[in-house]
Amino acid sequence: SAVISQKPSRDICQRGTSLTIQCQVDSQVTMMFWYRQQPGQSLTLIATANQGSEATYESGFVIDKFPISRPNLTFSTLTVSNMSPEDSSIYLCSVLKGGSYIQYFGAGTRLSVL
Amino acid sequence: KQEVTQIPAALSVPEGENLVLNCSFTDSAIYNLQWFRQDPGKGLTSLLLIQSSQREQTSGRLNASLDKSSGRSTLYIAASQPGDSATYLCAAGANNLFFGTGTRLTVIP
Repeated sequence: SAVISQKPSRDICQRGTSLTIQCQVDSQVTMMFWYRQQPGQSLTLIATANQGSEATYESGFVIDKFPISRPNLTFSTLTVSNMSPEDSSIYLCSVLKGGSYIQYFGAGTRLSVL
Repeated sequence: KQEVTQIPAALSVPEGENLVLNCSFTDSAIYNLQWFRQDPGKGLTSLLLIQSSQREQTSGRLNASLDKSSGRSTLYIAASQPGDSATYLCAAGANNLFFGTGTRLTVIP
């Protein structure tokens, strides 16, 4: 298994500002992901965080809006830039450990943009 | 693109009842099918993972089945308990998971 610490757990932000969300895992993992869950909707993958290189973004998500870092095998950050009310969502990180397809999720960051 | 649908969106049952949650997907070429539980403020917890070559998985009171040809998976919960109250999500895929919108289950004591 994997224990994932995600910070902050929630935040209320002003339009036009940026927020950086941190994801810390208790052990080295092969893959890390960032998902978004908009109100009343299912989870959607934003990007795969690659260690030591640029993240791989899904269709509809761009690096300028959601820059991601992954400096090592246990830590990643997601920044939501130039926020608007439409960015109000729960953002979750997840990880895969070698040899397994079971994804482990953090508790999520509930973001509200005013 | 894989699309995943879950029916019903919400379900209330009395404690002790057996129940079935349904999940359907459009692309039968899935790698895996996972069932998760989502509790408020606690993220997602993986319940069962069915690999594409498997037909079912069991864990305690939970049993999940997979029928790739019909594009369906079911999660069977036996002898439901109030602690089972949560939103249940199914997800298809390997690394990139495509999620359904979930079934909100309430077990009434």
